[in-house]
Amino acid sequence: SQTIHQWPATLVQPVGSPLSLECTVEGTSNPNLYWYRQAAGRGLQLLFYSVGIGQISSEVPQNLSASRPQDRQFILSSKKLLLSDSGFYLCAWTNYNEQFFGPGTRLTVL
Amino acid sequence: DQQVKQNSPSLSVQEGRISILNCDYTNSMFDYFLWYKKYPAEGPTFLISISSIKDKNEDGRFTVFLNKSAKHLSLHIVPSQPGDSAVYFCAASDHSGGGADGLTFGKGTHLIIQP
Repeated sequence: SQTIHQWPATLVQPVGSPLSLECTVEGTSNPNLYWYRQAAGRGLQLLFYSVGIGQISSEVPQNLSASRPQDRQFILSSKKLLLSDSGFYLCAWTNYNEQFFGPGTRLTVL
Repeated sequence: DQQVKQNSPSLSVQEGRISILNCDYTNSMFDYFLWYKKYPAEGPTFLISISSIKDKNEDGRFTVFLNKSAKHLSLHIVPSQPGDSAVYFCAASDHSGGGADGLTFGKGTHLIIQP
């Protein structure tokens, strides 16, 4: 069966510091992968998606970036965090119709 | 411009009764609709989905209804149980681009089941 992992589970970072969140998927090959963010009082917003190694599509302009160095690894990064980057970050993979989410990372930027 | 709307931020229902969560969408290209359940500090879990070629899909206590002409869908939970208390997200996708695009989510409805 497929499983999706995210780490760290929680993170507290100062404004201006860098960020690296990691997501890995097991039990499937060549998955489409996604990064979402849930900010306070808002729904889930799609940030990036990837259909393969090195292929990244960005949905919203921001100071975040994503990379896919391996088939089942998806990384969310920032060079300098802003206060507005605080939120709950979710990684997901799809079987074409449904998307399945990881446990999420709670990021607090102070 | 919000393409998927859940106009009720919260809903309180008595245990054993029916819970009805509503969702409206504006993009006529959406052809697949999903409901997710989310507990605090956890990722959303997939509940049930419906293709635009159907108007109803049932799975145990959960039924999703789709009214394409009204661009409206609803999730019915019968009977409601305490463990159903969570935030429910409506989501939609458009497969015309090959299915790789992400889902478009509503803002969620917090369902509270009262004993």
